[in-house]
Amino acid sequence: AQSVTQLDSQVPVFEEAPVELRCNYSSSVSVYLFWYVQYPNQGLQLLLKYLSGSTLVKGINGFEAEFNKSQTSFHLRKPSVHISDTAEYFCAVSGLGGGYNKLIFGAGTRLAVHP
Amino acid sequence: EAQVTQNPRYLITVTGKKLTVTCSQNMNHEYMSWYRQDPGLGLRQIYYSMNVEVTDKGDVPEGYKVSRKEKRNFPLILESPSPNQTSLYFCASSLLGEKEPQHFGDGTRLSIL
Repeated sequence: AQSVTQLDSQVPVFEEAPVELRCNYSSSVSVYLFWYVQYPNQGLQLLLKYLSGSTLVKGINGFEAEFNKSQTSFHLRKPSVHISDTAEYFCAVSGLGGGYNKLIFGAGTRLAVHP
Repeated sequence: EAQVTQNPRYLITVTGKKLTVTCSQNMNHEYMSWYRQDPGLGLRQIYYSMNVEVTDKGDVPEGYKVSRKEKRNFPLILESPSPNQTSLYFCASSLLGEKEPQHFGDGTRLSIL
């Protein structure tokens, strides 16, 4: 079955430290990749997306992600986090079949930034 | 402002009492979808719609109904809610196409006692 795996359910980190949130997907076909962020009591907001072209994608709030086709990964990074980055982050993939526009989500990674 | 609006934001109710969660978008999107979010499981699709009068099941449709009579609205109906439907629900919309990012509402937290 098609799947998206976020390898860490929780990531604690100190303010101003770098962070990487890992995402792997299972597919042998071309896919489109997204990272969404969910702040407390809010809906999901798009951070960035990979559709084609350069494998390094820059998003909002200083986040970036690198698409690695051979490793089927799309890890999210930020060189220096802030307290305000505390949120849950979801990796999502489309193009895995099952219907137009269908998004398959990972289980989420809760990022906790400590002072 | 472009947005997806869900109501209510919070609801506590009892088993078997029919309820409807409304969803409305103002972006003229063809595609709309409902998800439920449960701890450790991420978001799972319940139903989706590609246009007016076109709806289809997602991955977890049991116990839910939807309708799409107008392009902007996509209500989620629980005819006989049960405790296992206690969850956080999100409505989303987008243009048609797998490249299109989805826009999410702020969520509806349902508790079924």
